[in-house]
Amino acid sequence: EPEVTQTPSHQVTQMGQEVILRCVPISNHLYFYWYRQILGQKVEFLVSFYNNEISEKSEIFDDQFSVERPDGSNFTLKIRSTKLEDSAMYFCASSPGLAGGPEETQYFGPGTRLLVL
Amino acid sequence: AQSVSQHNHHVILSEAASLELGCNYSYGGTVNLFWYVQYPGQHLQLLLKYFSGDPLVKGIKGFEAEFIKSKFSFNLRKPSVQWSDTAEYFCAVQGPTGNQFYFGTGTSLTVIP
Repeated sequence: EPEVTQTPSHQVTQMGQEVILRCVPISNHLYFYWYRQILGQKVEFLVSFYNNEISEKSEIFDDQFSVERPDGSNFTLKIRSTKLEDSAMYFCASSPGLAGGPEETQYFGPGTRLLVL
Repeated sequence: AQSVSQHNHHVILSEAASLELGCNYSYGGTVNLFWYVQYPGQHLQLLLKYFSGDPLVKGIKGFEAEFIKSKFSFNLRKPSVQWSDTAEYFCAVQGPTGNQFYFGTGTSLTVIP
């Protein structure tokens, strides 16, 4: 069964450094998402992406964050200048479409655990 | 914005016991409802989902959930849990505008053999 994959599984970085988290969504899916989960807290929506542009974003997704689909398979989340509070598990998800029905089901990747020191 | 409440943060059960995990959401309009499970060291996996129709939905591994619109609830149930059900369970709501998910804080289930 096709799965969403994410790399790396773990990333340690220094505060102020840029990080890029990578995701390969399921191949025929049209919608892509990033969520994060700070340790001990709920999973929070960051951004959704469709047709090569952001379709929704949360308050968390400020100017430090950006997303890109650089080619036909990858979907990346960039954090320009990491802060301590960016330490979290970052989940990528994809869904087949937005048709008001089962096509909206989101399939999640295994996550990238980011630690900012 | 939507809010999703999972009232049970930690549940410990013996094998063969019955399970019910509560989930309530805040919005009264049309929503899509999901339960995801996260086994230790693994990613979120879809257990079951409700979009419309029969409010009692059946998912994988013997789980089911009942949508009660009047109570804004979507509780997860399993008649007899197994040790392998030890995991974190997340309720999620989607809608009515946009496609983002709103997650509950999760319920950690430990099943004792």
